[in-house]
Amino acid sequence: GNSVTQMEGPVTLSEEAFLTINCTYTATGYPSLFWYVQYPGEGLQLLLKATKADDKGSNKGFEATYRKETTSFHLEKGSVQVSDSAVYFCALTSGSRLTFGEGTQLTVNP
Amino acid sequence: DSGVTQTPKHLITATGQRVTLRCSPRSGDLSVYWYQQSLDQGLQFLIQYYNGEERAKGNILERFSAQQFPDLHSELNLSSLELGDSALYFCASSVTAGLNTGELFFGEGSRLTVL
Repeated sequence: GNSVTQMEGPVTLSEEAFLTINCTYTATGYPSLFWYVQYPGEGLQLLLKATKADDKGSNKGFEATYRKETTSFHLEKGSVQVSDSAVYFCALTSGSRLTFGEGTQLTVNP
Repeated sequence: DSGVTQTPKHLITATGQRVTLRCSPRSGDLSVYWYQQSLDQGLQFLIQYYNGEERAKGNILERFSAQQFPDLHSELNLSSLELGDSALYFCASSVTAGLNTGELFFGEGSRLTVL
């Protein structure tokens, strides 16, 4: 079945550092890919998405490119802020549902 | 605020008991999803309803059941509770039954603790 593998956390960075969170997937067909973010004490919210190969999703300075050849959708941000501290989930569509990765905890220190 | 409302926010109960979690989707959304988030299992899809009908089933135990009512709110019933059922239960909603270009809107979750 479809599945998502994320890099293990937790990840701790200093403010203004470069962020990469790796995500690879296994899927049949052509799924849409998503990054969701969960801030402390809140539900998940969509951060960005890409619906076909080579699409780049972007939002709030975060970017991810749908790479079919490497089955990857890595999340990047050039300069993280303390307010980016959260858990990040990579996800893909599996029929009518979303299948999520394990989540990566990011902590950004001032 | 996602527009998805879940109650209760916290619930503490004993093994063997039964609880009901409630979810009101965003206005206009016809699909409701239930997910379980635990430390060892991550986010697991339980079940989806679309306009009152069961649409998809995931890793939902037989002790668990759900339904979606005509006003589109949904309830997740958990019975014969075990310690391992302790988790955060999320409800999410979307406009359509499929998700290829859409997104899920999540509530803040109901934290269940089974003692």
